Amino acid sequence: GQNIDQPTEMTATEGAIVQINCTYQTSGFNGLFWYQQHAGEAPTFLSYNVLDGLEEKGRFSSFLSRSKGYSYLLLKELQMKDSASYLCAVRDREGFQKLVFGTGTRLLVSP
Amino acid sequence: DAGITQSPRYKITETGRQVTLMCHQTWSHSYMFWYRQDLGHGLRLIYYSAAADITDKGEVPDGYVVSRSKTENFPLTLESATRSQTSVYFCASSESQDRTYEQYFGPGTRLTVT
Repeated sequence: GQNIDQPTEMTATEGAIVQINCTYQTSGFNGLFWYQQHAGEAPTFLSYNVLDGLEEKGRFSSFLSRSKGYSYLLLKELQMKDSASYLCAVRDREGFQKLVFGTGTRLLVSP
Repeated sequence: DAGITQSPRYKITETGRQVTLMCHQTWSHSYMFWYRQDLGHGLRLIYYSAAADITDKGEVPDGYVVSRSKTENFPLTLESATRSQTSVYFCASSESQDRTYEQYFGPGTRLTVT
């Protein structure tokens, strides 16, 4: 079976740093994705990790530890527009495109 | 570049009616997907397709039918709509040649079954 856990909601202040955690238990593993979804809109791709370590992309970074079944998304220099839901998703087998999504973390950035 | 589009964007229907949600992509992506998104459940895969005429079930396929006669279209049909199928439906596509197989999502269809 597949199980992906994320906090339901987080709050942070503009200009701060926030870390959104994701833990997973899957029958196989071939990549972890983070998507951003603003209210009423479609999810959009943020990052992809398949090997252990940190992937940095501007203000956003994503970390993966396969041995621990753990990932985090780090958002720096928070802006009001970062208020959104952040979805963690795992691809469980090479060659298969199916993703299993967590329920998402709703981030509220306040002034 | 239209990308991936869905129609209708909003739909209200009655229990027992047949409803078809349309999805069209202009990238010629091999893979297409249908998800539903409900509070407390996140995105759940209904059906997916690896290529024209190849489809397979996802996590929650009951009550839904799909077809893919052309690469660019992937319609989702609710054969006899039920209130439990009230949800936001997202179509997505991805290209098998892309290393990450990133999925691109359509804008969604908000379906209400009364």
